[in-house]
Amino acid sequence: GAVVSQHPSWVICKSGTSVKIECRSLDFQATTMFWYRQFPKQSLMLMATSNEGSKATYEQGVEKDKFLINHASLTLSTLTVTSAHPEDSSFYICSARTGPDEQYFGPGTRLTVT
Amino acid sequence: AQTVTQSQPEMSVQEAETVTLSCTYDTSESDYYLFWYKQPPSRQMILVIRQEAYKQQNATENRFSVNFQKAAKSFSLKISDSQLGDAAMYFCAYLTQGGSEKLVFGKGTKLTVNP
Repeated sequence: GAVVSQHPSWVICKSGTSVKIECRSLDFQATTMFWYRQFPKQSLMLMATSNEGSKATYEQGVEKDKFLINHASLTLSTLTVTSAHPEDSSFYICSARTGPDEQYFGPGTRLTVT
Repeated sequence: AQTVTQSQPEMSVQEAETVTLSCTYDTSESDYYLFWYKQPPSRQMILVIRQEAYKQQNATENRFSVNFQKAAKSFSLKISDSQLGDAAMYFCAYLTQGGSEKLVFGKGTKLTVNP
């Protein structure tokens, strides 16, 4: 149990376009999901906390207009990178909370902006 | 704000031997959770072990165990009988409390297992 999927696993887009990444909890309902960014050989950096039915809470320094998060259902959260630029290229990971002290992670999405 | 420090960027161990990865953290909270996550080359984050701060007993999961020293704010991971499949990045993480629970990660330790 407690499986989290992400789609796509790898996406290449042109500079200036937008790209959407989906995060799904497959066998449980998640009122809270988290989005992280990971640069090569670095740790995970929390970008935002996504709560079902409400606006996401962004970490300091994360541009909310650039990284749009929607948590429309208890099993789906989406991250849209708007007007992507090469510096947005990174590995994006989502996680879903199953309990007060437990999170399960998706397999990640590699974004390359050319 | 809580911080997590992993002072060993890289470690290596011989297969079947034991290795200990270090982690210290800073917090003013009295009740919290600590975690070790493994990230293999696939980059899928895998929970290795979890410790609740109010529990004095050190958590154990098969070959993985922790040495939790609350007063010293230390949370090390011991891997016994190391296997080739243990090679990965290991991240120590602290779960903040108080309504906005979120994980704070250390910078990670890259573990190499030598055959």
